Amino acid sequence: DARVTQTPRHKVTEMGQEVTMRCQPILGHNTVFWYRQTMMQGLELLAYFRNRAPLDDSGMPKDRFSAEMPDATLATLKIQPSEPRDSAVYFCASAASLQPQHFGDGTRLSIL
Amino acid sequence: DQQVKQNSPSLSVQEGRISILNCDYTNSMFDYFLWYKKYPAEGPTFLISISSIKDKNEDGRFTVFLNKSAKHLSLHIVPSQPGDSAVYFCAAISLTGTASKLTFGTGTRLQVTL
Repeated sequence: DARVTQTPRHKVTEMGQEVTMRCQPILGHNTVFWYRQTMMQGLELLAYFRNRAPLDDSGMPKDRFSAEMPDATLATLKIQPSEPRDSAVYFCASAASLQPQHFGDGTRLSIL
Repeated sequence: DQQVKQNSPSLSVQEGRISILNCDYTNSMFDYFLWYKKYPAEGPTFLISISSIKDKNEDGRFTVFLNKSAKHLSLHIVPSQPGDSAVYFCAAISLTGTASKLTFGTGTRLQVTL
């Protein structure tokens, strides 16, 4: 089965450090999503791309978060500088034009 | 403002019995609804969906019911099995809109006991 691959699976770093999370979407999927899972909010959409173009990043704190798709096989989510409140599990998902989305297994981020 | 709500954070059901997970939504533009299942340390996996033109969709032990007038949907699992123990997320989207954003609920943790 084709899968969305996320790296790293776990990341622990100190406050103020830059964090980069990577996602390889399923081949042929043209829409890529970044979500954050927290206990209080469940799954929050941070940003998404279609055909590598950013369509919506309204869920993302713009001052410290950035999302890019340098090519069709790689999406990145960067936090700089990181803060303890950014600690969460970050999921990437991909989809063909219509639903459903297929999720990766997430990056568990801990900011100390 | 939570547009998709799962008001029960957890549910415990005995093996063999029916599990009913509920979901309410507020946005009348939503026209497609999905349920995802999530095991610990894994990403959510798609389980079943329903379009707003239907009121029921069945797939094996899983059935989703949609009540548009009440803006309510439910997932029925019959019979429940221990392997069904997971967190279940309800999600909704407007396919006729210009965005492709899924809006998720906060999840219900189902525990199926022996």
